[in-house]
Amino acid sequence: NAGVTQTPKFQVLKTGQSMTLQCAQDMNHEYMSWYRQDPGMGLRLIHYSVGAGITDQGEVPNGYNVSRSTTEDFPLRLLSAAPSQTSVYFCATLGRSTDTQYFGPGTRLTVL
Amino acid sequence: KQEVTQIPAALSVPEGENLVLNCSFTDSAIYNLQWFRQDPGKGLTSLLLIQSSQREQTSGRLNASLDKSSGRSTLYIAASQPGDSATYLCALDRGAGSYQLTFGKGTKLSVIP
Repeated sequence: NAGVTQTPKFQVLKTGQSMTLQCAQDMNHEYMSWYRQDPGMGLRLIHYSVGAGITDQGEVPNGYNVSRSTTEDFPLRLLSAAPSQTSVYFCATLGRSTDTQYFGPGTRLTVL
Repeated sequence: KQEVTQIPAALSVPEGENLVLNCSFTDSAIYNLQWFRQDPGKGLTSLLLIQSSQREQTSGRLNASLDKSSGRSTLYIAASQPGDSATYLCALDRGAGSYQLTFGKGTKLSVIP
C-alpha cells in the first residue's frame, strides 16, 4: 500500500513549456485535490475532484488544468508555465469513511 | 472568506517542556479542523482531526482542542522531544461536502536537546 505517490519529485521548466504533474493513489479514495505551497502564503487549493469524471476549481485555478478519468489518478497540467508557478505542489486524497486527508510527498517545481 | 492565523510563526523550546500551539479562525461555520505536521522537504501528515461537534481529541502526547465560539484551536504537546521539531499546520474544512481545506501558515517548532 503506497498511499499517495507524486512524480516527479523535482522539475525545472522554462517559461512557456508545458508539463504534467502526476498523482496516484491506491486507497480507492473518491476525493482528490491539488494544493500549492508558497513561502508566506501557506497551502492553497488549485483543483479538486469528488470522483472519476468530476472536477472543480479551487482558490487558485488559473494556469492549471486537471482531469479525472480513473479513481486512482489525478494529473495536474501546466499548459504554459510561468515563473509565478514556481512552487511546491501537493496532491491529497480523502475517502468517504474518514474525514482525514492524506498528502503525497510533493513536487518541487521551478520555472525559469 | 475564512482566514486562519497561527501564532507564533516560530517557537524554540528546550526538550521536555510542555507547549501549546495556537490556531485562530474568522468563520465559526466549520465542518472539522485538522492539525498536520510537516517535516522539511516532506509532505503533510495528519495528527489529529476534531469534528465540529467535538471539543478535543487526544493521541499520545498530543491533545487538540476546539472552541468554535471564540474561533480558536490549540495543539498541546506534552514532554516535547527533539523529534517533535517540525512545522505544524492547522486546516479547516468548511463542510457542505466541499472537503476543501483552508490552511494557516504554520508554526515552526524547534525542540532543543
